[in-house]
Amino acid sequence: QLQLQESGPGLVKPSETLALTCSVSGGAISSSSHYWGWIRQPPGKGLEWIASIHYSGSTYYNPSVKSRDTISVDTSKNQFSLKLSSVTAADTAVYYCARSWGTAMIPLGHWGQGTLVTVSS
Amino acid sequence: SYVLTQPPSVSVAPGQTARITCGGNNIGRKSVHWYQQRPGQAPVLVVYDDSDRPSGIPERFSGSNSGNTATLTISRVEAGDEADYYCQVWDSSSDLPVFGTGTRVTVL
Repeated sequence: QLQLQESGPGLVKPSETLALTCSVSGGAISSSSHYWGWIRQPPGKGLEWIASIHYSGSTYYNPSVKSRDTISVDTSKNQFSLKLSSVTAADTAVYYCARSWGTAMIPLGHWGQGTLVTVSS
Repeated sequence: SYVLTQPPSVSVAPGQTARITCGGNNIGRKSVHWYQQRPGQAPVLVVYDDSDRPSGIPERFSGSNSGNTATLTISRVEAGDEADYYCQVWDSSSDLPVFGTGTRVTVL
């Protein structure tokens, strides 16, 4: 059974870089033709798609965070990561990693439990 | 960018039917996916491609899509259906996915 688990710092200072990792178990990132992505949810607000990466290495970003974020895959560790630079309080959110249901980017059929990231000095 | 509009809240009595709408320009031409998010939990895919259900999702959950409105219908509502529901489509103009604004379903 595919499982995803986010890990991250919990607290990040303004202007610093947020780094999150999603560890995948129950299936190899490199052996599937799926998309792996990040979605966030500010406290009390809705879902926002941030970025996705295809197992082939193609990347896709939400224009709202483009130029600040980088998504990457580490097949040796069966993980994928998100880095978001120059964070502000507006980046405070629960961050979820997810895998596509099929071979298209959406829908997202498998989600991690989420990790709360707070941006504060 | 493509905008998906959902009612902020829907209230329904147990055993009744809840209908959650997702409005968008010519959304009937797109594939709509629906997610359920219970309090404090990650979203779960409940309907994809307008009306298909992943394995394990009860038949009480169904979807339809036509014109400018897609609808998620929950029949015989149970207390456990109380959650936020989000629709999602692919915006072909920007080549990116978009989430709806979300609807909170309250079971009275």
